[in-house]
Amino acid sequence: SQQGEEDPQALSIQEGENATMNCSYKTSINNLQWYRQNSGRGLVHLILIRSNEREKHSGRLRVTLDTSKKSSSLLITASRAADTASYFCATDASGGSYIPTFGRGTSLIVHP
Amino acid sequence: TAGITQAPTSQILAAGRSMTLRCTQDMRHNAMYWYRQDLGLGLRLIHYSNTAGTTGKGEVPDGYSVSRANTDDFPLTLASAVPSQTSVYFCASSEYGTGHNEQFFGPGTRLTVL
Repeated sequence: SQQGEEDPQALSIQEGENATMNCSYKTSINNLQWYRQNSGRGLVHLILIRSNEREKHSGRLRVTLDTSKKSSSLLITASRAADTASYFCATDASGGSYIPTFGRGTSLIVHP
Repeated sequence: TAGITQAPTSQILAAGRSMTLRCTQDMRHNAMYWYRQDLGLGLRLIHYSNTAGTTGKGEVPDGYSVSRANTDDFPLTLASAVPSQTSVYFCASSEYGTGHNEQFFGPGTRLTVL
């Protein structure tokens, strides 16, 4: 069963707007990762945030982590049509096997 | 470098037949994984290998087997395919146990079992 669950399942926005996706998980984690998947392609790693970190940035991406609420958010600022993809969070349970467990993903459509 | 490659890209297979999906990485990663991706279910782990010579079962291992004879290759075998194994299969690799377990994914194999 999935450890992380993304919300919303689908998101449709206009180019230039910000996109926010959320991930909730059930057990304590070592770290949380976000991945992107373009249609018909493999997943691509975007960013990793450790359990002792609260926020991380990479270009137009901003990830936050709230371990007390067992949740994370991925913010894409000034979205572009090329950001259209599915986004997955993956959690690595603490005391576990270092194998990330993926959620079902959020499908983002950015309209030009 | 090629990163991680999978073959074939797609395959149609008759139920009851066997098939091996191939996966090769050139990053010298010690860990490798097989996932299946089905609509609405996200990625589910089938089998994994933390290092050459060892394998482990994931969330949905039934009907699949793997081997890890060397660092680079991690084939996935369906001994007797069933229609419920119709899916997109992704192979991935990572540096195991370092805390930097970013996974690198192959392009996927689309398998249809009829």
